[in-house]
Amino acid sequence: QVQLVQSGAEVKKPGASVKVSCKASGYTFTSYDINWVRQATGQGLEWMGWMNPNSGNTGYAQKFQGRVTMTRNTSISTAYMELSSLRSEDTAVYYCARGVTMGFDPWGQGTLVTVSS
Amino acid sequence: QSALTQPASVSGSPGQSITISCTGTSSDVGGYNYVSWYQQHPGKAPKLMIYEVSNRPSGVSNRFSGSKSGNTASLTISGLQAEDEADYYCSSYTSSSTPFVFGTGTKVTVL
Repeated sequence: QVQLVQSGAEVKKPGASVKVSCKASGYTFTSYDINWVRQATGQGLEWMGWMNPNSGNTGYAQKFQGRVTMTRNTSISTAYMELSSLRSEDTAVYYCARGVTMGFDPWGQGTLVTVSS
Repeated sequence: QSALTQPASVSGSPGQSITISCTGTSSDVGGYNYVSWYQQHPGKAPKLMIYEVSNRPSGVSNRFSGSKSGNTASLTISGLQAEDEADYYCSSYTSSSTPFVFGTGTKVTVL
């Protein structure tokens, strides 16, 4: 079955960077975009950006431009999202999701990133 | 890019039908047939329920249906069941520099 499995929870200090991984299985990794979405505790969903695993092309939400980098390793069907210059407001669950027909399906299980001094 | 507007909460009794609205602009909901809906149970990842306004992915109950009129999209849940109690989010493609936007989210309560 199509599945996205993300890396475990992270605790980071303000100003640091975090890199979250998303391993795909059950389909051809290079055939679908990977999107990243985050959700602060008790808040709504926020789209961060997308990456085409075949070409490596990316597109980022204006809010995260200059702070986020999305990459991939096609040999292990894994996508990565790195967010730098972390601040407390970046504390959230980060999800990867496969892009399908202008929607997102399936989603990874989520990775909690906590930013605290 | 502002979030799409959804009611904070909607409730209904088992067996009833409820409708959740999702209001945007002509730059997003009104301009494209790329509205999708997601169900999220507490502590779980979102699940795609509707894509391209009214299409259901394989495995999603036909009690869920979607539609759109102008700048407002809607998700209807018929024959409401206890398991439908969850948060629901709409999403749309947009013409802005940030190509996707989510709704503010709606908590569905089954009375």
